[in-house]
Formats: sequence, structure tokens, C-alpha cells
Amino acid sequence: GAVVSQHPSWVICKSGTSVKIECRSLDFQATTMFWYRQFPKQSLMLMATSNEGSKATYEQGVEKDKFLINHASLTLSTLTVTSAHPEDSSFYICSARVPGQGEHSPLHFGNGTRLTVT
Amino acid sequence: TQLLEQSPQFLSIQEGENLTVYCNSSSVFSSLQWYRQEPGEGPVLLVTVVTGGEVKKLKRLTFQFGDARKDSSLHITAAQPGDTGLYLCAGSISGNTGKLIFGQGTTLQVKP
Repeated sequence: GAVVSQHPSWVICKSGTSVKIECRSLDFQATTMFWYRQFPKQSLMLMATSNEGSKATYEQGVEKDKFLINHASLTLSTLTVTSAHPEDSSFYICSARVPGQGEHSPLHFGNGTRLTVT
Repeated sequence: TQLLEQSPQFLSIQEGENLTVYCNSSSVFSSLQWYRQEPGEGPVLLVTVVTGGEVKKLKRLTFQFGDARKDSSLHITAAQPGDTGLYLCAGSISGNTGKLIFGQGTTLQVKP
């Protein structure tokens, strides 16, 4: 089955530092990946759509300069939280679809990254 | 703008009881999916409904897509403690680059 791997699974950083989260599609190529943010016991909020070889598309209200997305290859997208602050603490999850399965195909999610900014 | 209203947001029931989770919107979706998420993990797909009025069954879970493709429901019969988790509905808007819009989620706790 399609596997999306996310790394790290958790990270603690100090306020003002930057953190990079990696999302890899292990057994398929993903021209598009989706980055979500989730607060405890709440739903997933789409942050941005990562596009291989081009700029990411950010949702309204998401700061593109704060959440840098790079989709450098067909199997890797990265999200960098720059100058992190405690309010950035959250659960970040990436997802992707297996190409060629149609528009109704499911999203395959990574296991998420728990970010804690102290 | 929250396009999908999911209710209830929290539900605590006894083992053996039935329950229904609702997902409503003013928007029409080309398809709607239901996911289940365990703590510390990503969501996992339960079902996809595409046709208005469609009903799908997955063991004790019954999913229905509204005739107008604006709403959906998830019914669980004889809930078990293993059903405990966060249930999420997610809608796909045709021509919207394939992204999914998620409802607020329903946290279900089934007590033994």
C-alpha cells in the first residue's frame, strides 16, 4: 500500500529557531502534497498545497514566509517553520495521493510531527 | 470559512449503543470521505462516497451521502471500545486541485 513517511515524529525547539519537517512518499511519486495543522482533539486545517517544481499554494491566513515549503523532488516535500514561537506548537501532518487513481482517491497521511516550541 | 459542519464534536457512550455522526455543508461536493484517526497518528480512510444518495456499509458502520451531495452521515451500530477515536469527514470540491476540506471532527469514546 501507499506509504507516506514523516520525520521527525516529534521535535522540541526554542523560540526563535527554525524547524524543518520532511514528508516522503515511499512507494509512489507525488507531484502534489498537502500540509495540514491540527490542534489537540480538533480537525485538520489545510495550510498549503505543495507542488513539485513550483511554488506552493497557501491557504488564506497562512504566512508563506513563516511556513516555507519546498517540494524539490517527486518523493519529498519539506515544511520549515521559521522563527518558531510557542503559538506555532501543534501537530503537523502531510498527505499525498497516489497518482492515476482518480480525483476521489484517498489521501495517504504521514504519522505527523508534534512540534513544541519552548 | 468552515465549509463542513460536523456534529456532535464529542460523544461518550456505553458499549453496545448506537450512534450517528453528521456532516453538513451548503456546498456541493464531488465526493466525501470519512477518516478515523488515532492519537499521535495520521488519519486513515474508512470510506469514500461519490454518488448522491449512496449508502455504503463497512461491518457495523453505515455511511450515507445526501441526495444533493451536501451532507453525509456515519452510523455505528453496537459500538465497541475499539471504535474509540476521532472521526473526520472530508469533502472534495470538483476542480479544486484535489484538496480536501475537513469537518471539525467527532471525538468518540466508547466505554466498556
